[in-house]
Amino acid sequence: QLVLTQSPSASASLGASVKLTCTLSSGHSTYAIAWHQQQPARGPRYLMRLNSDGSHSKGDGIPDRFSGSSSGAERYLTISSLQSEDEADYYCQTWGTGIQVFGGGTKLTVL
Amino acid sequence: QLQLQESGPGLVKPSETLSLTCTVSGGSISSSSYYWGWIRQPPGKGLEWIGSFFYSGSTYYNPSLKSRVTISVDTSKNQFSLKLSSVTAADTAVYYCARATLGGAAMVPSAFDYWGQGTLVTVSS
Repeated sequence: QLVLTQSPSASASLGASVKLTCTLSSGHSTYAIAWHQQQPARGPRYLMRLNSDGSHSKGDGIPDRFSGSSSGAERYLTISSLQSEDEADYYCQTWGTGIQVFGGGTKLTVL
Repeated sequence: QLQLQESGPGLVKPSETLSLTCTVSGGSISSSSYYWGWIRQPPGKGLEWIGSFFYSGSTYYNPSLKSRVTISVDTSKNQFSLKLSSVTAADTAVYYCARATLGGAAMVPSAFDYWGQGTLVTVSS
């Protein structure tokens, strides 16, 4: 079964960096994912597509502070030079034949 | 710039059918390069995929909702619609429409790259 696992919460200080993790279920370690950001009271915003080899393609207007990387079944979103507007929920998403799946989301607090 | 806008009743009674429409501007839902889909988010919870369709007719639904969901398209209006039957309070959520890119040679829906702003639907008598 295709499942994405995310930690419920993370925190980091203003100006620092943070690395969020999304883990693919067993047998699905080669799958690509997408990262989405949801700021409070807003709809989701596509950040990037991230492949198993770590290559990624970002959405329109996404700052260079956002980057992605991969290792095995884990997919990472790194946000550098954290700003207050980065405080949001971050969701990973993947897909298979006939199905699309979201992780449970990580709530990022900027201290 | 692609824009998606959800519309429909904000209140639906239990056991009735929820109906929403997504109007697309700045792009065509008849494009051979994208799928179009619906996602929902119950209050305070995460995102749940409902279903996605391709202009040629290929449609995929979340197995947990498949028996109650229908997605249809009106290419003349550049709109697509969601119908969810026999609703209960558990269907109360913000409903989003979105565009999905194609996932490689398999031509399946992949990443959602543009989202609507969402519309809250409450199921209550």
